[in-house]
Amino acid sequence: DAKTTQPNSMESNEEEPVHLPCNHSTISGTDYIHWYRQLPSQGPEYVIHGLTSNVNNRMASLAIAEDRKSSTLILHRATLRDAAVYYCILRDRTGGNAGNMLTFGGGTRLMVKP
Amino acid sequence: KAGVTQTPRYLIKTRGQQVTLSCSPISGHRSVSWYQQTPGQGLQFLFEYFSETQRNKGNFPGRFSGRQFSNSRSEMNVSTLELGDSALYLCASSRETGGYGYTFGSGTRLTVV
Repeated sequence: DAKTTQPNSMESNEEEPVHLPCNHSTISGTDYIHWYRQLPSQGPEYVIHGLTSNVNNRMASLAIAEDRKSSTLILHRATLRDAAVYYCILRDRTGGNAGNMLTFGGGTRLMVKP
Repeated sequence: KAGVTQTPRYLIKTRGQQVTLSCSPISGHRSVSWYQQTPGQGLQFLFEYFSETQRNKGNFPGRFSGRQFSNSRSEMNVSTLELGDSALYLCASSRETGGYGYTFGSGTRLTVV
């Protein structure tokens, strides 16, 4: 499986934008880039996903590099509730056995300071 | 709509016993996956079920098994519990296998003593 690399932790101030990077240099042409986050004492929560183009939803934006070897999850205004572990995951869009599971790395622990 | 429901939330078992955990997916979701989360290994995939069939299995010993019922509810069973099986067990459901987004439950915290 293609792997992702994320910083172990990041800090942000409340109400400031946060850019969470992810490197995936071995990404294949059929891999979607997914982001999940896990708040304390909860299961992971889907945030956003994309293939080639930048994506926006109510939670965040996903900026994907032109060569797709890296991506950045953008939280436009961090709140205390955004403090969580953020996981960047590659998923094969063709499905099959490899596409039916999520391979979690260590993720980035985001701390938000008031 | 109701989310993914896992029961029980907490469980304490003795080494050597067996345990069954339950997961009720979101209505209409036919794919159910199970994950184990420990501080040392992080989140690891156990298996996925779709339409009562196991579609994919992670690298866990045969003591870990599961099944899915016709209403898409799923159970996982761990036999001959070991101390190392202490973990948070998470269930995730999706509308179809390989679906884009998974919805996770809050998990069952299993402690083996």
